[in-house]
Amino acid sequence: KQEVTQIPAALSVPEGENLVLNCSFTDSAIYNLQWFRQDPGKGLTSLLLIQSSQREQTSGRLNASLDKSSGRSTLYIAASQPGDSATYLCAVGPSNDYKLSFGAGTTVTVRA
Amino acid sequence: DTGVSQDPRHKITKRGQNVTFRCDPISEHNRLYWYRQTLGQGPEFLTYFQNEAQLEKSRLLSDRFSAERPKGSFSTLEIQRTEQGDSAMYLCASSLDRVEDEQFFGPGTRLTVL
Repeated sequence: KQEVTQIPAALSVPEGENLVLNCSFTDSAIYNLQWFRQDPGKGLTSLLLIQSSQREQTSGRLNASLDKSSGRSTLYIAASQPGDSATYLCAVGPSNDYKLSFGAGTTVTVRA
Repeated sequence: DTGVSQDPRHKITKRGQNVTFRCDPISEHNRLYWYRQTLGQGPEFLTYFQNEAQLEKSRLLSDRFSAERPKGSFSTLEIQRTEQGDSAMYLCASSLDRVEDEQFFGPGTRLTVL
């Protein structure tokens, strides 16, 4: 059974600092990995999708890396802003079925 | 409409009542998924459909839960005889056919069972 862990569970930084969020997974046989943002009481907004053949994906201030062999992904958010405050979830898409396995998330607070 | 929609957004019910949620996927997406998220946790898979066929059900989906996708379009998730432990956010997602295709999520239905 795929286990997904996100460390730290919570993070508070001053505005302008770079954010580094970590995700680890136990089974490296995956098709893809997605990073999501979730605001309190809301649904999931997809940020980045990395296919298993890729090493990283970039979108604006966001960059996500994937190391399948070590079971790790890292989401970098450059020059954080108060609007980046949210919970960030990573989800792994396995190789033998369609369901995503999620971590519990990292709750980020960016202080103005 | 370019996204996944869910209705209602919020539902408050008393223990023992039945509730039904609806999900409308992105129109060209054949696969539809239901997940449940409790406070402070990541979403957990419940079930998924390819067109109208329900292909997998999690053991989280007890006999009180039933999901349908008639005609392979919208889907409904019904919970009978609700319990306080059913209180959660119910999320729907859809995707194209390949296992590596991105899943797009709706805004969720927040269920509170009193």
